[in-house]
Amino acid sequence: GQSLEQPSEVTAVEGAIVQINCTYQTSGFYGLSWYQQHDGGAPTFLSYNGLDGLEETGRFSSFLSRSDSYGYLLLQELQMKDSASYFCAVNDKIIFGKGTRLHILP
Amino acid sequence: DGGITQSPKYLFRKEGQNVTLSCEQNLNHDAMYWYRQDPGQGLRLIYYSQIVNDFQKGDIAEGYSVSREKKESFPLTVTSAQKNPTAFYLCASSPGGAITGELFFGEGSRLTVL
Repeated sequence: GQSLEQPSEVTAVEGAIVQINCTYQTSGFYGLSWYQQHDGGAPTFLSYNGLDGLEETGRFSSFLSRSDSYGYLLLQELQMKDSASYFCAVNDKIIFGKGTRLHILP
Repeated sequence: DGGITQSPKYLFRKEGQNVTLSCEQNLNHDAMYWYRQDPGQGLRLIYYSQIVNDFQKGDIAEGYSVSREKKESFPLTVTSAQKNPTAFYLCASSPGGAITGELFFGEGSRLTVL
């Protein structure tokens, strides 16, 4: 089977840095994706790691270690608009984790 | 503009009725997906299709059916066999499926069974 584990909630302060971890168990692994979803909205794609290492896109970075079956999403210079749920997804059938709710305090 | 259109946005259904949710994309993507999301939960895969006239069951396919007769369209039917159909349904497409990792989502259809 396939499974992804990520923390259910994370709280951080505006302007700070936060890391959301994701561990996975899957067959047919291609890579790890990250998505953001605001309440009531559809998920939007943030990043994809097909190879080990760090991918950077503006304030967001994502990391993958295939040998550890582990990845993380790093959000820098947090803004209030970053308050949302963040999902990791494994690219076989594109299975999602249960999501991490990010709360940002002013 | 290119994108994915889901309809209806809101739908109410009586128990025992089948309903069909529409999903149309003009992005020329080969792969299409249906997910179900319950409050406070992640997205669970119902069905996916990587090419016209072919589709595969996801993790929670029981009580659902799909068709993929055209590249642009991937309708989902929620049948009366689905025990708890009230949920938020999301359709997505991808240019490369698992290889590219990027899904484009529609705005979703919210189904409520009365």
